[in-house]
Amino acid sequence: SQQGEEDPQALSIQEGENATMNCSYKTSINNLQWYRQNSGRGLVHLILIRSNEREKHSGRLRVTLDTSKKSSSLLITASRAADTASYFCATGYNYGQNFVFGPGTRLSVLP
Amino acid sequence: EAGVVQSPRYKIIEKKQPVAFWCNPISGHNTLYWYLQNLGQGPELLIRYENEEAVDDSQLPKDRFSAERLKGVDSTLKIQPAELGDSAVYLCASSLPQWAGGDDTQYFGPGTRLTVL
Repeated sequence: SQQGEEDPQALSIQEGENATMNCSYKTSINNLQWYRQNSGRGLVHLILIRSNEREKHSGRLRVTLDTSKKSSSLLITASRAADTASYFCATGYNYGQNFVFGPGTRLSVLP
Repeated sequence: EAGVVQSPRYKIIEKKQPVAFWCNPISGHNTLYWYLQNLGQGPELLIRYENEEAVDDSQLPKDRFSAERLKGVDSTLKIQPAELGDSAVYLCASSLPQWAGGDDTQYFGPGTRLTVL
């Protein structure tokens, strides 16, 4: 299976703390994308990182990719209650056109 | 720029009835995806189109599911007949691949929540 697997399955933190979620996969990828999904809503794209990149930033988000370990991490700094959501990684293969999603990490940020 | 549009947003049907979902991708996006998402799980690919061609339908249960993307723009996903286990959210996404000048980012629609009674 080429499925990405997020870790932990659930994470609960206080507002202002940092949240780190990890994604591991099994085969070589072209890219990896992180998404956020609020309850009952669609998926919102956060960051795409390509296999030849090691780190990308977007606002309070930082994504790293370690292709030697077949893993990626998503760091959310200074978390807010509005960051409460499920976060998914999607590993892209077949020239970055096919994506396989993991089961997600459910993040709860407590005020 | 308008996002991916899906309709209906919600659908409740009885088992053995047919149902259809419609998707309008972002203008100019060559690639269109249909995913199924069960509660508490990540999306699972059903079919991927490149323009009007279905290039990956290996996960589509072809005995009851069908899809089409006429003219390479809008797409329709159909289930006939629906079963209780088909209750899920059906997501449509589109992207513009690198070879076409894009960056492979997938953009998702809001989904159609199907309940089969």
